[in-house]
Amino acid sequence: DTGVSQDPRHKITKRGQNVTFRCDPISEHNRLYWYRQTLGQGPEFLTYFQNEAQLEKSRLLSDRFSAERPKGSFSTLEIQRTEQGDSAMYLCASSLHMNTEAFFGQGTRLTVV
Amino acid sequence: GESVGLHLPTLSVQEGDNSIINCAYSNSASDYFIWYKQESGKGPQFIIDIRSNMDKRQGQRVTVLLNKTVKHLSLQIAATQPGDSAVYFCAERSQGAGGTSYGKLTFGQGTILTVHP
Repeated sequence: DTGVSQDPRHKITKRGQNVTFRCDPISEHNRLYWYRQTLGQGPEFLTYFQNEAQLEKSRLLSDRFSAERPKGSFSTLEIQRTEQGDSAMYLCASSLHMNTEAFFGQGTRLTVV
Repeated sequence: GESVGLHLPTLSVQEGDNSIINCAYSNSASDYFIWYKQESGKGPQFIIDIRSNMDKRQGQRVTVLLNKTVKHLSLQIAATQPGDSAVYFCAERSQGAGGTSYGKLTFGQGTILTVHP
């Protein structure tokens, strides 16, 4: 499978716990994006990497959220001290260049109980 | 279409009919537009894209029309099939300051398409 891969597909956690999601983009795609999607809404931009550099972060990304892409390949998104409002689908996308289409992974559905 | 419980516009069609899904965008500086299809529990799937220097682009069974004057985008699906049933999102990319663009997409509300056999 050469598409964008996300792990895990589903995560249930207790409020206050930390969670980490992983995204493996399409090989050789240097741009990687994280989005969050809640029920009935379109995806909302969280952050963006070009290679290993994190170039933009949304105001949606509070201090409890951190994302990394240490070697310019896979990326991780960590949420500390999870809250019920963090429950959502977290989507990763990658693109080859700025002017090409972005391909999405299947997402990680987070449920905070 | 009319809003439903999730407050998304809906479109119901019969198998074999043509479907037209509409989207209004807000940023006149947007230079690139994409239509995505999203099935329940899955990530958005790329359908077709169009750049702002074009007003029409065709793919296999799909056509995207762009009207920059009224900031309107539409997706036409020919001979709609039950497998086309999904939520459809339009997304726009805006140019940043100095003509830069990070490729960040802003998504519209989405339209639920239901195809009846």
